[in-house]
Amino acid sequence: KAGVTQTPRYLIKTRGQQVTLSCSPISGHRSVSWYQQTPGQGLQFLFEYFSETQRNKGNFPGRFSGRQFSNSRSEMNVSTLELGDSALYLCASSLVPGGDYGYTFGSGTRLTVV
Amino acid sequence: GESVGLHLPTLSVQEGDNSIINCAYSNSASDYFIWYKQESGKGPQFIIDIRSNMDKRQGQRVTVLLNKTVKHLSLQIAATQPGDSAVYFCAENWDAGGTSYGKLTFGQGTILTVHP
Repeated sequence: KAGVTQTPRYLIKTRGQQVTLSCSPISGHRSVSWYQQTPGQGLQFLFEYFSETQRNKGNFPGRFSGRQFSNSRSEMNVSTLELGDSALYLCASSLVPGGDYGYTFGSGTRLTVV
Repeated sequence: GESVGLHLPTLSVQEGDNSIINCAYSNSASDYFIWYKQESGKGPQFIIDIRSNMDKRQGQRVTVLLNKTVKHLSLQIAATQPGDSAVYFCAENWDAGGTSYGKLTFGQGTILTVHP
């Protein structure tokens, strides 16, 4: 059974650019959440999607957005990149919202903004 | 605001010892707690979870204890092995009004180092 797949694994972007990250959940999982991990702030919740709807959102600026497709795959977008956006972006999937059956994380996308 | 914090950022133990990692949480409404292990270059890996209606839950070599009175969570690892070396995070999930929300609040993490 394939795990959570995140692409790309590594990304280098310039300030001011935008970036799109992709997440494919475990087959059958319908809930996808996104987290940002930095040495200074740790793991912080970005948003959660279920059935193509954003159910919850963390305290991030509007430059951070996401969406979920009918096949449960999800993308997140960061526009007008800033140096502080450099981080490991993690995607987690769950059978249902709220993680009643646990959350499974992918290996993340390492974004570096220069 | 909501936060989950760890008392000890680092923990060093000898192989075969038992390890205890602690976590304090601040949201008394949290009803679901999870421990994750993160190795270098990987995403967090689920270890064990516990719901607020329980005080203790055991897995293979791991035990989670929940003390709701003082809002404290701990992870006990028995017979710690070098392969257990990693960063350990506790996380809480808050169920608002009976509708589960998929928002985990993570602690800062504890680095566990196991010496052979």
